[in-house]
Amino acid sequence: AQSVAQPEDQVNVAEGNPLTVKCTYSVSGNPYLFWYVQYPNRGLQFLLKYITGDNLVKGSYGFEAEFNKSQTSFHLKKPSALVSDSALYFCAVRALISGGYNKLIFGAGTRLAVHP
Amino acid sequence: GAVVSQHPSRVICKSGTSVKIECRSLDFQATTMFWYRQFPKQSLMLMATSNEGSKATYEQGVEKDKFLINHASLTLSTLTVTSAHPEDSSFYICSADRPGEQYFGPGTRLTVT
Repeated sequence: AQSVAQPEDQVNVAEGNPLTVKCTYSVSGNPYLFWYVQYPNRGLQFLLKYITGDNLVKGSYGFEAEFNKSQTSFHLKKPSALVSDSALYFCAVRALISGGYNKLIFGAGTRLAVHP
Repeated sequence: GAVVSQHPSRVICKSGTSVKIECRSLDFQATTMFWYRQFPKQSLMLMATSNEGSKATYEQGVEKDKFLINHASLTLSTLTVTSAHPEDSSFYICSADRPGEQYFGPGTRLTVT
């Protein structure tokens, strides 16, 4: 079965410090991996994706993620956190479903709290 | 980037009534749209895949007759919650599929009283 795990419910980090939000996946075939951010009462905003190519993917708002095939991980990182980065972060993997359609399988989400 | 809108953003209805939520892709055509439901502090749960010109594909456990989906055109999908009950209160999010990526709407907060 294809799945995504985000082992941390919440990550706390001080402003200016580096942050990491963890994600591991289980998928058959080559993974298409995504990170999204959600602010309160809002939809999801796309941050970045990995399809193929360089293992280090750079995305919006200074975020990046590193694809590690041997560890089946796709951790989200940022060198210097901002208070405004505080939000709910979702990792997702694209899965092929019957009929040739694709759907996203989401992790449970990780709440990032950046304190001044 | 691609833009997806939802209307209304917030709706309150009485138990037993029906509510329609619209999802539009504003600057691209989407043959496939998705409807998700999100409970407080939880992840997104895929409810159904909406396909233009054909019937929606529902996830296991989702009542087809309660959550009616119509993909009327390449830019519009609607979700109708029929005979709504308080337990249907939730945050409903749609997304539109553009090859390689899904673009999400801002969500609709449904409260059934």
